[in-house]
Amino acid sequence: DVKVTQSSRYLVKRTGEKVFLECVQDMDHENMFWYRQDPGLGLRLIYFSYDVKMKEKGDIPEGYSVSREKKERFSLILESASTNQTSMYLCASSSARGISGNTIYFGEGSWLTVV
Amino acid sequence: DAKTTQPPSMDCAEGRAANLPCNHSTISGNEYVYWYRQIHSQGPQYIIHGLKNNETNEMASLIITEDRKSSTLILPHATLRDTAVYYCIVRVPNRDDKIIFGKGTRLHILP
Repeated sequence: DVKVTQSSRYLVKRTGEKVFLECVQDMDHENMFWYRQDPGLGLRLIYFSYDVKMKEKGDIPEGYSVSREKKERFSLILESASTNQTSMYLCASSSARGISGNTIYFGEGSWLTVV
Repeated sequence: DAKTTQPPSMDCAEGRAANLPCNHSTISGNEYVYWYRQIHSQGPQYIIHGLKNNETNEMASLIITEDRKSSTLILPHATLRDTAVYYCIVRVPNRDDKIIFGKGTRLHILP
């Protein structure tokens, strides 16, 4: 089974802190994604990457950055956390090798509260 | 905006088949139909996907109409653990994949 593992399920951080959310997948997937999910707004794409050291902005990249130094690991960084970044963050991955439909698989989610 | 329409909620008796409908009347020829579910406080879980043929796996069956404008997800023997929000989405598998989840169907399994 595909496994996407997010390092922290629940975090509480203070305004202005630097926050790291880590994600690891074990299926040798090329593509990795970071979303946030908020009530009434659905899933919104923050950043994605389809290769090591490559990154692309999604719909809401402001206030975030990412790092992909290894194929299996994709980190989301909040440089200076703010209260409006309180949310559930979802990491996902998929294969780019033409497998029928290249399904996206999600991690369990990281609930971040910024106080 | 989501390209699919689903009923906001459904009930199903435990042990019975749960049939969840989805309308995607504007689906294009290269778009797949995917189903995910999300149990409270967890990430979306992939269930099944298809292009035009019916599909079955260990979790569910997917029935896609011949014109591809609608589909039905079937959970053959629903259990309490199937209580979740079920999302039907259509997408073209692509690198810059911006999955748009609609509001989904909240499925309640009744004991």
